[in-house]
Amino acid sequence: SAVISQKPSRDICQRGTSLTIQCQVDSQVTMMFWYRQQPGQSLTLIATANQGSEATYESGFVIDKFPISRPNLTFSTLTVSNMSPEDSSIYLCSVETGPQETQYFGPGTRLLVL
Amino acid sequence: QKEVEQNSGPLSVPEGAIASLNCTYSDRGSQSFFWYRQYSGKSPELIMSIYSNGDKEDGRFTAQLNKASQYVSLLIRDSQPSDSATYLCAVNRNEKLTFGTGTRLTIIP
Repeated sequence: SAVISQKPSRDICQRGTSLTIQCQVDSQVTMMFWYRQQPGQSLTLIATANQGSEATYESGFVIDKFPISRPNLTFSTLTVSNMSPEDSSIYLCSVETGPQETQYFGPGTRLLVL
Repeated sequence: QKEVEQNSGPLSVPEGAIASLNCTYSDRGSQSFFWYRQYSGKSPELIMSIYSNGDKEDGRFTAQLNKASQYVSLLIRDSQPSDSATYLCAVNRNEKLTFGTGTRLTIIP
């Protein structure tokens, strides 16, 4: 497995502003992922972030709204831009590690947009 | 049809009994299968992974996979109150995980 940290752990933001979430892992990994978990719902993949290439976004998610950086093999950021109350959610990063393509999750960032 | 389906529950099981959680998936090209446990307010924690047909046991947990029926299950033996959580089934194809909506399990002391 891997030890994954996220910052901030939670935040309350005003609509129209942006928040950048950081994800740090204790070992080098090729694949990092960003998910959203809306209240009472399951996880939805936002995008896959590979080091050295553009992030790959899932249907319904766009780079202008959720820009992602992946500057090295241990770090990634997700920005939630021009936030609205509908962006209130838990944002989770995960990493894929091990021979069986297993994903492990960070502790999450709880975002409330007012 | 949802890609990954789970009974949302809640599923209530007496302490010490066997809890049985079920999941079906639609993509026959799915390659690997996972069960995650999520406590309220926490992130998902990997419990079991399974890649081939049959059973895989790890302590009190047994995962079962039947690719022909597109079915994966999780059995929890000797259920404990600490097993009360939401259990998420996840299916992997080409390094993309798709999650079910989760089953909320409550163990009754």
